[in-house]
Amino acid sequence: QSVLVQPPSASGTPGQRVTISCSESRSNIGSPNVNWYQQLPGTAPKLLIFASTQRPSGVPERFSGSKSGTSASLAISGLRSEDEADYYCALWDDSLNAWVFGGGTRVTVL
Amino acid sequence: QVQLQESGPGLVKSSETLSLTCTISGDSFRNYYWDWVRQPAGKGLEWIGRIYVSGSTNYNPSLKSRVTMSIDTSKNQFSLRMTSVTAADTAVYYCAREDYSSTSWIWFFDLWGRGTPITVSS
Repeated sequence: QSVLVQPPSASGTPGQRVTISCSESRSNIGSPNVNWYQQLPGTAPKLLIFASTQRPSGVPERFSGSKSGTSASLAISGLRSEDEADYYCALWDDSLNAWVFGGGTRVTVL
Repeated sequence: QVQLQESGPGLVKSSETLSLTCTISGDSFRNYYWDWVRQPAGKGLEWIGRIYVSGSTNYNPSLKSRVTMSIDTSKNQFSLRMTSVTAADTAVYYCAREDYSSTSWIWFFDLWGRGTPITVSS
């Protein structure tokens, strides 16, 4: 059974680079292949990154994803005030036949 | 433009059954999965379940005993039924579409409804 662990918060000043991690609890399965979602205040989630590194059309290039070891990461370069949101990673757990979401990371622009 | 719209009662009494419907406009069911995800106020996302156009379903193991999803292709709708609700089921309920990337071999939620708030009262 997968558990995705995210830091509860992250912050940066405008223009900075912020990185959010998503660690998969089952350390023996290799790098998790996750999707990332952005949820602006009071709105529905929006797909940001799929397959850990792929950016859908329309998503700005300053959002990027990577994975290494048992973790995946989302990076926001050139942080903007409109990036203040909650960010969630998610993966399909083949053993549960279920989607699992990370707990979410709130990004604050200082 | 494809849109999803949730509809529901807003308020449900404890121990009763919650029924929600998601209407798809601008597209058909095609080769997608159709999902329900919920979010209690101030908390994270919880996946409830999904249904394929064939009627095949997967449910969150923690909710499986209380949840049933169905599909009505003639109305372009899919539905969620959750029995024996409690205050813990109070949340915003989203319907969402899952699409598949054949190059990355992965499913992802690419379209979401605006969500409908559900309160369970005692």
